[in-house]
Amino acid sequence: EAQVTQNPRYLITVTGKKLTVTCSQNMNHEYMSWYRQDPGLGLRQIYYSMNVEVTDKGDVPEGYKVSRKEKRNFPLILESPSPNQTSLYFCASSFLTGANVLTFGAGSRLTVL
Amino acid sequence: GENVEQHPSTLSVQEGDSAVIKCTYSDSASNYFPWYKQELGKRPQLIIDIRSNVGEKKDQRIAVTLNKTAKHFSLHITETQPEDSAVYFCAASKGSASKIIFGSGTRLSIRP
Repeated sequence: EAQVTQNPRYLITVTGKKLTVTCSQNMNHEYMSWYRQDPGLGLRQIYYSMNVEVTDKGDVPEGYKVSRKEKRNFPLILESPSPNQTSLYFCASSFLTGANVLTFGAGSRLTVL
Repeated sequence: GENVEQHPSTLSVQEGDSAVIKCTYSDSASNYFPWYKQELGKRPQLIIDIRSNVGEKKDQRIAVTLNKTAKHFSLHITETQPEDSAVYFCAASKGSASKIIFGSGTRLSIRP
């Protein structure tokens, strides 16, 4: 089944404790992206990647890092999480560029205390 | 910077009536405009999209119209049903740039 898989789905952590949210897709998509969803603010793009070793900032990259060492994986790293990073995070992928249908993961709800 | 504004933020319609959600975008180079539906507790899923070389696209009860001159596009849902209740997001993108800007969402409720 074609899908985007995120882990963990739920996480409660404390300020400053590094964490990684993994994202993997099995559709051989070039484009992958991370979003955060907050009430009233819609989906805001954090980082995106056009292909292996190519990443770029979205609208809200502060406090986040990403890497794209393999085509299928695009982990989101929070080096020193803060409470304002409490949010629902979605990973998505699409064929070639962002101007195509995005397939979203199931979401990861992160709470930073 | 680039911006997509979406209105209204909430919309309640009687079952069987039509619903219209409107979005405006700021970057005239945008050329791809998708609409995503997010049911409660679920992930967003594409319901329809349009590219800048067409003005209208239909898929059964759903249609999207695009006015490039005015830089706005709209989602039209006819004969609404309870399963249409969800949050709807519009978005705009430039094909090569791959930065995607989403609207803030519209929560659509269908009254029985």
